[in-house]
Parts: sequence; C-alpha cells; structure tokens
Amino acid sequence: DTGVSQNPRHKITKRGQNVTFRCDPISEHNRLYWYRQTLGQGPEFLTYFQNEAQLEKSRLLSDRFSAERPKGSFSTLEIQRTEQGDSAMYLCASSLDQGGNSPLHFGNGTRLTVT
Amino acid sequence: QKEVEQDPGPLSVPEGAIVSLNCTYSNSAFQYFMWYRQYSRKGPELLMYTYSSGNKEDGRFTAQVDKSSKYISLFIRDSQPSDSATYLCAMSLNTGGFKTIFGAGTRLFVKA
Repeated sequence: DTGVSQNPRHKITKRGQNVTFRCDPISEHNRLYWYRQTLGQGPEFLTYFQNEAQLEKSRLLSDRFSAERPKGSFSTLEIQRTEQGDSAMYLCASSLDQGGNSPLHFGNGTRLTVT
Repeated sequence: QKEVEQDPGPLSVPEGAIVSLNCTYSNSAFQYFMWYRQYSRKGPELLMYTYSSGNKEDGRFTAQVDKSSKYISLFIRDSQPSDSATYLCAMSLNTGGFKTIFGAGTRLFVKA
C-alpha cells in the first residue's frame, strides 16, 4: 500500500490551455473521488467513480471538466480552456466499498496555477 | 448557510496545552464523522473516523459526536509543535462516501 499518488504535483498554465491530471488510487480501493480545494477552504466534491463508472458529478464540474477511469484503476481529470478561477489544489481520494461507508484516503494533490 | 460550519482560527496554543476543535452541522442525516489533518501543501490525512454519537480515543486524540446538538469535537492532549496544521472536520451519509462534506478547516499553531 503506497497510498494515493497524484501527478504532476504542480502545474502552471496559461489561460485557455488544456491540462490533464492523473491519480493512482490505493490498489484495492474501488471508489475514486476528485475534490477541489481553494485557499482557506475545505475540499469540495467534484466527482466520484465506483470502479470505472462515474456515478456522481457536482454542479461545480462545468462542461470544461471531464474525468475518466477507463479500467477502474487510475483516473484522469482534464480541464479544457482553463480560466484563472480554475486555480486551486485538485485532490484525488480513494476508498474501499465494504457494503457501507468508508473514509476517504487522499493524495497530496495537484496544485494548478492559471496565469 | 453552509452544511458544515468550522471556525477557521487561527488557534495558537503553547506546547503541552489541550486543544479543542469543533464543528457544527445542519443535516441530521449525517452518520459518519471524520477529522483530517492537513499540513501545508499536502493532502488531508485521516485522523479519526466515528459512526453516530459517542466518543472515540486514539492516543492523544479524542473525537466526540453529539448528534442531538449536531456538534462534533476533536480534543488533542499534550499538544506538540508537530501538531501545527489545519484540521478539517468531515461528515457523510450512510449511503456511500461520495457525499462527504468538509468544513473549512481550523489552522492550529502549537508554540514550543
């Protein structure tokens, strides 16, 4: 168990460019989540996968955002036509579905700066 | 009104003090309650995980949940400078982890 891994750790991009982040969850975890955190705030839910199925999307996830988890293992989060308001820490978390609730285990995030 | 309210602090205490961190919430359907610790430029780290009302102790940390008052607390005994971090409360429903809602976090500074 090496924990949740996120890459890159930092990304600086110009407004209008597309960016893609990767998340590798804890290997036996079948649930994967993306959250966004801005300075001074707690993480805000973006989307959630159970295996490869995307089951829930927040209204925060505009049409410019897309997430995939093609084989139920790693996931990618893409932001198209980035805006300065997209600058934030993007956190990935995973958990194990044991027939009920289980707590989230987070990676160290990807910090996005849009200039 | 936010679903989860947490005083952002900062809270500054001397080393060895007992720290009390609190959150209130509005959704009585929350069943699972968590505390996370987040160091600067790191992801949140799970500290405590409790179900429904009651107390849970783990080393220097004690989590309390009072569902009747919609109030949860985290106590840190014998606080250390290494405890300096942001503490996030979080809670979720009993139907899957995707509805985990976080407070804004309380910044704690423990002075040596």
